[in-house]
Amino acid sequence: GESVGLHLPTLSVQEGDNSIINCAYSNSASDYFIWYKQESGKGPQFIIDIRSNMDKRQGQRVTVLLNKTVKHLSLQIAATQPGDSAVYFCAENIAGGADGLTFGKGTHLIIQP
Amino acid sequence: DSGVTQTPKHLITATGQRVTLRCSPRSGDLSVYWYQQSLDQGLQFLIHYYNGEERAKGNILERFSAQQFPDLHSELNLSSLELGDSALYFCASSTDDQKLFFGSGTQLSVL
Repeated sequence: GESVGLHLPTLSVQEGDNSIINCAYSNSASDYFIWYKQESGKGPQFIIDIRSNMDKRQGQRVTVLLNKTVKHLSLQIAATQPGDSAVYFCAENIAGGADGLTFGKGTHLIIQP
Repeated sequence: DSGVTQTPKHLITATGQRVTLRCSPRSGDLSVYWYQQSLDQGLQFLIHYYNGEERAKGNILERFSAQQFPDLHSELNLSSLELGDSALYFCASSTDDQKLFFGSGTQLSVL
């Protein structure tokens, strides 16, 4: 089975609210985690990443939290906008691994006006 | 724009046929990855090339093959196509084999 998964397939939030997308991983050897955004008809677009020696990293309106104890990753998007509507994927990687990223199935974020 | 170019954007073909998907990585990236995305399987890793050499294989069928050329562009060859091969095929490139930059994909429809 997949080593990275998502708790919810669809998340609907009101415009302007904060959203939290969750992800669980099972490979304790993973040391790099990344979030991608995929809009309809486009390829996955990098949002933010975090290494296992950190538990929080902030970007512009986005924050990634990593809890290695429970193997949990989350993406927080502040003040959601219509342009945030997309499918969000978490992915993991092991340093030195040649298999690239292992992706979860994705969460579809819907922004309600 | 990620800097990764994939052609064609759309491909419609019949069962039993063979197609070639093309990818140009970002300037300076030596690694190229191929992924397949379908509704029920998500993004599945197919194969990884680094500077012309195959580095790793994922869930790639024997009917599929790939190569990376001296100019670092890559091609994914899909043969004896079946209806179930209909999917989005993405190429990604990387400098560090961790953060991947994806192209916009090729939508393959097998009829």
